[in-house]
Formats: sequence, structure tokens, C-alpha cells
Amino acid sequence: NAGVTQTPKFQVLKTGQSMTLQCAQDMNHNSMYWYRQDPGMGLRLIYYSASEGTTDKGEVPNGYNVSRLNKREFSLRLESAAPSQTSVYFCASIRGQANTDTQYFGPGTRLTVL
Amino acid sequence: GESVGLHLPTLSVQEGDNSIINCAYSNSASDYFIWYKQESGKGPQFIIDIRSNMDKRQGQRVTVLLNKTVKHLSLQIAATQPGDSAVYFCAENRDFGNEKLTFGTGTRLTIIP
Repeated sequence: NAGVTQTPKFQVLKTGQSMTLQCAQDMNHNSMYWYRQDPGMGLRLIYYSASEGTTDKGEVPNGYNVSRLNKREFSLRLESAAPSQTSVYFCASIRGQANTDTQYFGPGTRLTVL
Repeated sequence: GESVGLHLPTLSVQEGDNSIINCAYSNSASDYFIWYKQESGKGPQFIIDIRSNMDKRQGQRVTVLLNKTVKHLSLQIAATQPGDSAVYFCAENRDFGNEKLTFGTGTRLTIIP
């Protein structure tokens, strides 16, 4: 199993450009998550999907949209990138619930918005 | 607001010694805690977890202690190795059934050869 995979690994955007970060997991997990990680701060939840067909906002959803394409895939879209969205983005998945099961993380996407 | 935090942002330990990383949480309703390890350029990796009905749990070279009285969590790493150098995060799940974890800011552990 590859676990959680993310593409791309690195990306540089200009302000106002759009892009989609892709995430896929092959562990048949129900829930998937998107986090951002900034220096000196813990991981902050952007959006999550508790099951196929559902999505919910996390702590910092503004400027982002998500799509749970199927059970395996959960994408994060920036419609009009801003410098404040420069960050490292991590996707994660979990089989059951966050209070009982381990979250598995992808390797991250390093995004720079100029 | 309630948060998960770490007492020490950096920690240097001689190879072979034991290390202790601390974490404070403020929500007494939290019922599940996790420690993650994050190496440079990689995603967080699960180390060990503990539920609120336990006060100690051991893994391979790692032990997590939970003190609910003072809302304190610690990660002990025995006989540290160079590969233990990383940032360590604690995380808590505050509510039963809640799909969200709250993460601390992390402690950077450096193992000195």
C-alpha cells in the first residue's frame, strides 16, 4: 500500500492563480482531511470529509474549496491564490473516528504564492 | 480559547540518553491523545496514542504518560538515537465522535552524537 499520496510536491503560484491539490489514499479509509502547516504553528484543519459525499469546514476554510471525488480521493482547490496561502499542505485519512483511530498523513505539498 | 501546547519548543539530548517531551492541554473533556513525529520534509507520523481512561502506555522505546489532574501529557523516548531527531507534536480529540484533532505547535528534538 502506498498509504496517503499527494500531488504535486512543490508548487509556485502567482497571486490570483488557481490550482488544485490532489490527495488519494489506498487504505479504504472513510474520513479524509486537509491541513495547513505554518512556521511556529500547529497543523490547522482546513476542511474534512467524514465520508464519501460529505465535506465540512475546519478551522481555516476561507479561500479554499474541497471535493470528495470518491472514497479514495479528496482534492483541495485554491480559486484565487493569495500570499497568505503560502504554506505546507497535508492531507490525512482515518479509518474510523478521530477519537479512536490514527490519522495517516501524506508527504505534503509545499506551496508558495508570490 | 482552549488549546494544546508544549512547554519547550526545543530540546537537545545526548545520544543514548532518555528524553522527555511535554504537552499541556486545557480541555478536560479531551478523551484521546496522540503523539506524532515529523521529520524534515515529511508528513507527521504516528508514534503512540493514549485514551483518557489510561495514565500510561508503552511502545517500543516510547512511553506516553497522561496526568488528567493537571492536564499534562508527556512522551518519553528511551535510549535516544540520531533517527529520533525530529519535531514532535501532541494532538487531542476533544469530543467523542468529533472528527477533528487539535495539534500543538511542536517541540524540536535534536540528538547530539
